Amino acid sequence: GENVEQHPSTLSVQEGDSAVIKCTYSDSASNYFPWYKQELGKRPQLIIDIRSNVGEKKDQRIAVTLNKTAKHFSLHITETQPEDSAVYFCAASTDSNSGYALNFGKGTSLLVTP
Amino acid sequence: SAVISQKPSRDICQRGTSLTIQCQVDSQVTMMFWYRQQPGQSLTLIATANQGSEATYESGFVIDKFPISRPNLTFSTLTVSNMSPEDSSIYLCSVGLTGDTQYFGPGTRLTVL
Repeated sequence: GENVEQHPSTLSVQEGDSAVIKCTYSDSASNYFPWYKQELGKRPQLIIDIRSNVGEKKDQRIAVTLNKTAKHFSLHITETQPEDSAVYFCAASTDSNSGYALNFGKGTSLLVTP
Repeated sequence: SAVISQKPSRDICQRGTSLTIQCQVDSQVTMMFWYRQQPGQSLTLIATANQGSEATYESGFVIDKFPISRPNLTFSTLTVSNMSPEDSSIYLCSVGLTGDTQYFGPGTRLTVL
């Protein structure tokens, strides 16, 4: 089955700096890669996603890049703010008999200090 | 996106008992999934809830322990049976609205004593 590795497990940056979180996946058939943000005690919220026919996608301060050859994808947050502090999860999905079931990385705890 | 609700939001149960968690969506959806998130951990898929047929379980999860129902396109239940303290987790449903995009319910925080 699919195995998603995520690094780093914790990340501390100063407000205004950039943050980068990296993920690798094992199944070359994976074709959908979402990123979720989870604040303490709350549900995971989809913040951005990318599909295998696209190399990069940007939404304001957030961008995601995908390298299918190397089987890795990354989340980039620019001009970080304290409210960006949360746990971020990457995931990979393949269209299978289980539908588009998501396989998650272990998460990155991001702390943005003022 | 859709409005997804779960009941109960939290519960404290005694070992050996069972708890049924409900997931309701305000619109018809094709795909519904159940995930488990153990304290401080990532999300693990338990099963895909299929409307009109048996759920599809992931490795390590079995129907006797986690029976699932999906009577229609807006509702699903997950039962955690014969609970032990190791079942203490947050249980989340998610729905697929358009193809592969998934949105999560608020979760049910279960504590087993």
